[in-house]
Amino acid sequence: QVQLQQSGPGLVKPSQTLSLTCAIYGDSVSSNSAAWNWIRQSPSRGLEWLGRTYYRSKWYNDYAISVKSRITINPDTSKNQFSLQLNSVTPEDTAVYYCARAPTTWGAFDIWGQGTMVTVSS
Amino acid sequence: DIQMTQSPSTLSASVGDRVTITCRASQNIFNWLAWYQQKPGKAPKLLIHKASSLQSGVPSRFSGSGSGTEFTLSISSLQPDDFATYYCQQYNTDSPWTFGQGTKVEIK
Repeated sequence: QVQLQQSGPGLVKPSQTLSLTCAIYGDSVSSNSAAWNWIRQSPSRGLEWLGRTYYRSKWYNDYAISVKSRITINPDTSKNQFSLQLNSVTPEDTAVYYCARAPTTWGAFDIWGQGTMVTVSS
Repeated sequence: DIQMTQSPSTLSASVGDRVTITCRASQNIFNWLAWYQQKPGKAPKLLIHKASSLQSGVPSRFSGSGSGTEFTLSISSLQPDDFATYYCQQYNTDSPWTFGQGTKVEIK
């Protein structure tokens, strides 16, 4: 079955870059049907979709307006994974970050990673 | 962005009760609505998609209904494993994906 395995640091200093990776097992980041997403959850903001990457003969990205100036999501076909980079973080970016698959371009999130608690603090 | 409002925020119920949670969208999302269950320390789990389609492996006591702006998640006979927080989420093609604030189902 499809599984997503997240990795990355749990502590990031203010103004630095948050970087997380999501490894895909049982599916392909280059799938022509699935989309690969990052979502975060905090007590103050609830569940918040951040962005996605997907392949439909070429690569596409969509990002939430709230983070659009600071976020990059990249696929890595050689390792079958995708990554999240969030620049210039502040304590407001403290949250549990999840990667998730949507099985179709416009679909619900059927497979989730285990979550990574990221704290932004000096 | 489309706002999703769930009610109630907390629901106290007993094993065997029928439970209903409501989710309202700030604009028409047709049937592009999902329901998730989340337990402490775990990722959300997809229960229902396209408003009423049961995700594979999810018990049939869960059901979803609605379209447009008003939706419900029902649990026909609450089981001990169902005490959790439930979220709705819209995935209308014209708008970024957004979630409701959650409904916590607790033991009465």
